Amino acid sequence: RKEVEQDPGPFNVPEGATVAFNCTYSNSASQSFFWYRQDCRKEPKLLMSVYSSGNEDGRFTAQLNRASQYISLLIRDSKLSDSATYLCVVHTGGYNKLIFGAGTRLAVHP
Amino acid sequence: SQTIHQWPATLVQPVGSPLSLECTVEGTSNPNLYWYRQAAGRGLQLLFYSVGIGQISSEVPQNLSASRPQDRQFILSSKKLLLSDSGFYLCAWTAVSSGNTIYFGEGSWLTVV
Repeated sequence: RKEVEQDPGPFNVPEGATVAFNCTYSNSASQSFFWYRQDCRKEPKLLMSVYSSGNEDGRFTAQLNRASQYISLLIRDSKLSDSATYLCVVHTGGYNKLIFGAGTRLAVHP
Repeated sequence: SQTIHQWPATLVQPVGSPLSLECTVEGTSNPNLYWYRQAAGRGLQLLFYSVGIGQISSEVPQNLSASRPQDRQFILSSKKLLLSDSGFYLCAWTAVSSGNTIYFGEGSWLTVV
């Protein structure tokens, strides 16, 4: 089993739709969680950290479920500019223990 | 504010030729530095990380090497490239000041022909 797993997609949604991604992790000792966005042929950029209590940033909501070992990202009112690959990142402790999921591709169409 | 730069952005190299990718970080001291590779349609693979000058840890066996001659400089090298070395190479940093958040350079696209 991979340490961090994501549905690769693609998720094809119309503008204005609500879409949700899940990411599961295998190490119950994982400490920190993040969502990154990666545009085609570009570097990943931090979208948001994921806190135990859940957090929201505009149209984006991230949640953590430690009991079931997954994190989620909800995007409301999708925009064309949201089209990208979304990477789940889990930190399990130590300098090298940032584990990246393979990413979920989102395509928003008019 | 902290910034990270890496270069060159794109390069095409013949099989068997050497490689040198360079990365520098500004605005922070004693960062942890990383080299990742992302093959087409794949996730990020950690190649090397460094917690200080001259301290390099390798995650996967390969024909690549890394060096950290200065606190904020990280170099990825190869003496002889293979076709399988093609990919998107990303330098990144974390620091106490950033928590566990990792920040990436712009990336270097390497095509070995």
